[in-house]
Formats: sequence, structure tokens, C-alpha cells
Amino acid sequence: NSKVIQTPRYLVKGQGQKAKMRCIPEKGHPVVFWYQQNKNNEFKFLINFQNQEVLQQIDMTEKRFSAECPSNSPCSLEIQSSEAGDSALYLCASSLGRGQDTQYFGPGTRLLVL
Amino acid sequence: GDSVTQTEGQVTVSESKSLIINCTYSATSIAYPNLFWYVRYPGEGLQLLLKVITAGQKGSSRGFEATYNKETTSFHLQKASVQESDSAVYYCALSPLNYGGSGNKLIFGTGTLLSVKP
Repeated sequence: NSKVIQTPRYLVKGQGQKAKMRCIPEKGHPVVFWYQQNKNNEFKFLINFQNQEVLQQIDMTEKRFSAECPSNSPCSLEIQSSEAGDSALYLCASSLGRGQDTQYFGPGTRLLVL
Repeated sequence: GDSVTQTEGQVTVSESKSLIINCTYSATSIAYPNLFWYVRYPGEGLQLLLKVITAGQKGSSRGFEATYNKETTSFHLQKASVQESDSAVYYCALSPLNYGGSGNKLIFGTGTLLSVKP
């Protein structure tokens, strides 16, 4: 079973509010991913890191989302100004990288924007 | 771009009967992506069921099997005899892995809810 930890499990925010969620990857996994799963079960890749460096991110993430993976602290994903369309399950995953691309997922943070 | 298609949103099967969940993929960024099945049991997180990284090979786990078919670009999930405990949502996914690289995102299908009737 995966040992990726995500907090909080549930988050309720008003439109325009900041929403922040955290992820602790599996021990020894340098690569961290964030995905958004919407109510239609569609997954959207948001951003990934290797150690503290961003590897890839999509446009949406550049503009309204901010994310970081500081050394010796949990990774975080923050939506600067929440919109109703951001309501979704946010999944964090980690992997060993180095060509081993199996990703291990946390339970997710379910965000509801009212 | 790359994509994964699962045509059935929900499948209901009686216990001890056989199962097939269809998955087809389209990979434009790489000829032979890595292919995965993930599963989410009720109340639990997404977990890897099986993966296959070589075209023509078969992966298996917990009685489930899937064969990487590059001719039909398919990766169907099969099980000969399902149990009630197999009830879950199954997701097919691909990873356009660059050999030696890291951090390749997964591209998922929209999932198939399997309900096994006792």
C-alpha cells in the first residue's frame, strides 16, 4: 500500500479564497506529481517536481496555482483565488524517477468551492 | 496528443463469471508507451494493479491480466472469475516514458466502475 500522505482530506472554500493542500511523498521518492480529478472522473496533470525543481507544469498551474516541494518539508499545492470549477479531487503521487515511472498515489484532498 | 479510452463507464458481473474491461490508447508522443491499470477500492486511494512496459507482453496481478497489444493499441483487463471483493473503479493509463528520464505524467482513462453481484 502507498505511503503518500495528503492533508487535509476535505477542504471547503468560498470563491476567491486561497486553498492550500499538502503532500508527503513516500520516503526516498524524489519525484512528486499533482493531478486534478474532476466530477467526470477526468484526470488533469498539474505539475511535477524532482526534489525541489519543477519538471513540467501546465498553463493553468502557472497562472492561478502555486506549488512547491521544499527540502525537509511537505510539498504543497495552493490555489490563489479559488473558482467553482476548481472543485475536484486533488491527487498527489510520488515515484523513484530514474526511469522507474510507477507512481504511488495518496488518498487525495477533496476541494469544494462554494 | 496522447489519450486513453475506456468505453464502459460501468460494468456489472455476477460472482464467479468472467470479466473484460476495454482500454484502447493513442500515443503520438512515443511509439511504445508504458501501460498501467490502477484500481480504486471503495474508501481507498488509487493503487497500481499491474503494468506492462514491453509491447506483446502480459502483466498479471490478483488474478487480473492485461496484454499490451501494439497492433490494436489495446490493453484490455481480464479476469476469469470475479469475486465480490473486486468491486472497484478501474483506470487504464499510459506513460510516455523517455528512457532514463523521470517525471513523466500519467494519462488516464475515465475509469470503469465494476460491480460484482453475489
